[in-house]
Order: sequence, then C-alpha cells, then structure tokens
Amino acid sequence: GQQLNQSPQSMFIQEGEDVSMNCTSSSIFNTWLWYKQDPGEGPVLLIALYKAGELTSNGRLTAQFGITRKDSFLNISASIPSDVGIYFCAGPFDGGSQGNLIFGKGTKLSVKP
Amino acid sequence: DTAVSQTPKYLVTQMGNDKSIKCEQNLGHDTMYWYKQDSKKFLKIMFSYNNKELIINETVPNRFSPKSPDKAHLNLHINSLELGDSAVYFCASSLRGTTEAFFGQGTRLTVV
Repeated sequence: GQQLNQSPQSMFIQEGEDVSMNCTSSSIFNTWLWYKQDPGEGPVLLIALYKAGELTSNGRLTAQFGITRKDSFLNISASIPSDVGIYFCAGPFDGGSQGNLIFGKGTKLSVKP
Repeated sequence: DTAVSQTPKYLVTQMGNDKSIKCEQNLGHDTMYWYKQDSKKFLKIMFSYNNKELIINETVPNRFSPKSPDKAHLNLHINSLELGDSAVYFCASSLRGTTEAFFGQGTRLTVV
C-alpha cells in the first residue's frame, strides 16, 4: 500500500539554525501537505502544495513539491524555540482529492536556545 | 471561536465498556474524519464521512462506528473497549473535494 517515508525522524538544533526535512512516496501524489503538531494539540496545517515544482512559503517556512510528484521538502530558516514540535507530511490516499490523508511518521524538532 | 472541537479531551475507562467521543466543527465543512494517533505518533485515518458517503478504513474494527446527527457533527462510538484502543483520537473536517483537513485538539483515550 501507499507509504510516506519522512526523514529525519528527529533533529536537535541550535536556535538560529536552518532546518530541512523531506518526505518521499512510493506513488505519485497530487497534493502535498505539511502539518505541525505541538504537544497535547492537534496537527495544524502549515503549507499546502498542489503542483509539481511548486515552491511555497509561509513566513520562515518554505516547502517544495518535487518534480517527480513523489517527494516534498520543508525548510525552516532561522529556527526559534517555538518551532519545537513534530512536523508531518501528508497527502491524499490513492491520489484522491479529499482529506483522507496518509501521513508520514513525523520529524520531531528540538531547538536549543 | 474554536473551529473543530472534541469532547472529552481525556477519557479513562475500563476494558469492555462502551464510550463515545463527540466532535463538532463550525467551519461550514461538509466532510468530517476520524484519525487515530498511536503511541509512536503515527496518524492513521479511520473514517471519512459526508452526507452521501461513509468511507471506512478496512483495518478499523467494527466495534468503532461514526454517527453523524448533522453536517457539523461526527461522533465516534466505540463498543467493548480493548487495551489496544488506547490512543489519541482526532476529529478533522474539510470541504468536499479539498485535501486540507483541519484537526481538533484530540481525545486521549486510556483503556485500563
């Protein structure tokens, strides 16, 4: 079945550093989503990507939809302590257009002040 | 002004009991979902529902059932709770035909 492989599994960085994480799929996706989950909270949508090659920013966050449509990247520039959390990539099941999402296993980000 | 709200936030119950988790959204969305997050933080869809279609993940035991009294609510009923049902359950919603799902704060279910 469909799988999303997200890496790295965890990152420990110094405040001010840039962060990169990525997600790869065994099949083509029409949409890539990036979510952040704070402890005790639900996932919050950060960025949505709809076209191969698309590059979209949200403040210090930038995400890209890979050309092959089987991967996506999320970069965080100049990290701050409130960036701490788990970041998930997600995409619709079976190339669909609904919110029936398959999630990566997450990248846990820790930021040292 | 909470968009997707779930109650309760915490639920501790004994094996064999039947319980429900309530979910309401005020976003005007017409599709709602239930997701399960296990102890390793892996998120997996359980159900998606709009007024025409219920899609069930085939791995979900039939002890779990969604009930929707109206478009803004999708409650999760669980019968004969088992220890392995312990997890965090998230409700979410989206507009039909869109992929962006908005999540509630989660319900941490502990079965003892």
